[in-house]
Amino acid sequence: EVQLLESGGGLVSPGGSLRLSCAASGFTFSTYAMSWVRQAPGKGLEWVSGISGDGGSTYYADSVKGRFTISRDNSKNTLYLQMNSLRAEDTALFYCTKDQRYSIGVHFHWGQGTLVTVSS
Amino acid sequence: DIQMTQSPSSLSASVGDRVTITCQASQDIYNYLNWYQQKPGRAPKLLIYDASNLETGVPSRFSGTGSGTDYTFTITSLQPEDIATYFCQQYHSLPFTFGPGTTVDIK
Repeated sequence: EVQLLESGGGLVSPGGSLRLSCAASGFTFSTYAMSWVRQAPGKGLEWVSGISGDGGSTYYADSVKGRFTISRDNSKNTLYLQMNSLRAEDTALFYCTKDQRYSIGVHFHWGQGTLVTVSS
Repeated sequence: DIQMTQSPSSLSASVGDRVTITCQASQDIYNYLNWYQQKPGRAPKLLIYDASNLETGVPSRFSGTGSGTDYTFTITSLQPEDIATYFCQQYHSLPFTFGPGTTVDIK
């Protein structure tokens, strides 16, 4: 059974940093692309970032480009999202998703999310 | 960016009714269109991918059709457990974008 467990969320001041983690199990992690998708409280879904299975290709929404960095450690079956220069508008529930084998875009499995709150 | 619109934004229907949601993209997305269900307090769940492919384990009362810029999601016989918000999403072009959602409840 595919399991995705996010962690690392919390309350941070504007301009601060956080690193989210997503521990994956139940599938061969290194062969699947992964993404982060967020949802602001009471709002819709926004794709944030994606990464290929080998980590060699990364993709970002314009709203986070230059501030967020996606990475993965295939030896630890873990996906990361380093978030710097956080803004109030980054406040959201961040979901980790398992995508297709060779590309991002179809979010086949989702974790339960980790909440990031940016506030002074 | 490709803009996704959905209609209606919400609907109420009776158990057993046929429910239809439409999704329109601002440009041709060549069937790179997915549908997700999100129940209150839960993570989204993939129902349909590539416009018409039913994800494994999803009941057959859910279906999707469409092409070009216009797509349709249908529940053939609404069940109480289908109460949720439904989102379409395009992945033809980065950044991938979602529709604003359609909330379905029971009349």
